[in-house]
Amino acid sequence: DAGVIQSPRHEVTEMGQEVTLRCKPISGHNSLFWYRQTMMRGLELLIYFNNNVPIDDSGMPEDRFSAKMPNASFSTLKIQPSEPRDSAVYFCASSFPGVRTGELFFGEGSRLTVL
Amino acid sequence: QQQVKQSPQSLIVQKGGISIINCAYENTAFDYFPWYQQFPGKGPALLIAIRPDVSEKKEGRFTISFNKSAKQFSLHIMDSQPGDSATYFCAASKGTYKYIFGTGTRLKVLA
Repeated sequence: DAGVIQSPRHEVTEMGQEVTLRCKPISGHNSLFWYRQTMMRGLELLIYFNNNVPIDDSGMPEDRFSAKMPNASFSTLKIQPSEPRDSAVYFCASSFPGVRTGELFFGEGSRLTVL
Repeated sequence: QQQVKQSPQSLIVQKGGISIINCAYENTAFDYFPWYQQFPGKGPALLIAIRPDVSEKKEGRFTISFNKSAKQFSLHIMDSQPGDSATYFCAASKGTYKYIFGTGTRLKVLA
């Protein structure tokens, strides 16, 4: 399996621009997570989908952030408008909750820099 | 109560030495304690995990020690190798999805 695939790997944009990050989870996994990683705050869960339905979005910072999962093989995280404080590495992860371990499989991340 | 406190922030160990990273939690409802390993430019990957019904779990050179009464758990890396140089995150969860991650420990193993 190719693992969790994220794009773009790097994004540099200017403040106020719209940013869209994309994720393809591992086939057969029915849970998808978006995390944000920064030096100051570490790994933070932004949103969790189960069977394409958002279950917990309590970690989404504010209305500028939105996430969708239109089907089992694709999810997007959108920031509009972007701000410099949004600069971080954004990870997508997937898992199959039926497995006892609940292991998260992370993608390689999308590094976002907002100037 | 939802925090997982991890220490040290960074660690330098000689090749062949033992690396020890500690984590402490408050929420006694947590029932799953994984450790993730992250190399630069990569996403975290599960290294080893433990549930509170056992006090120790060993996989190769990696061992988790779990102290339920003290609400602490630690990762021991025996015979540390330069290839182990990475950032290590402890985590805790109740149920299988809402992980609380520690702040990470950057390990450097000197050749």
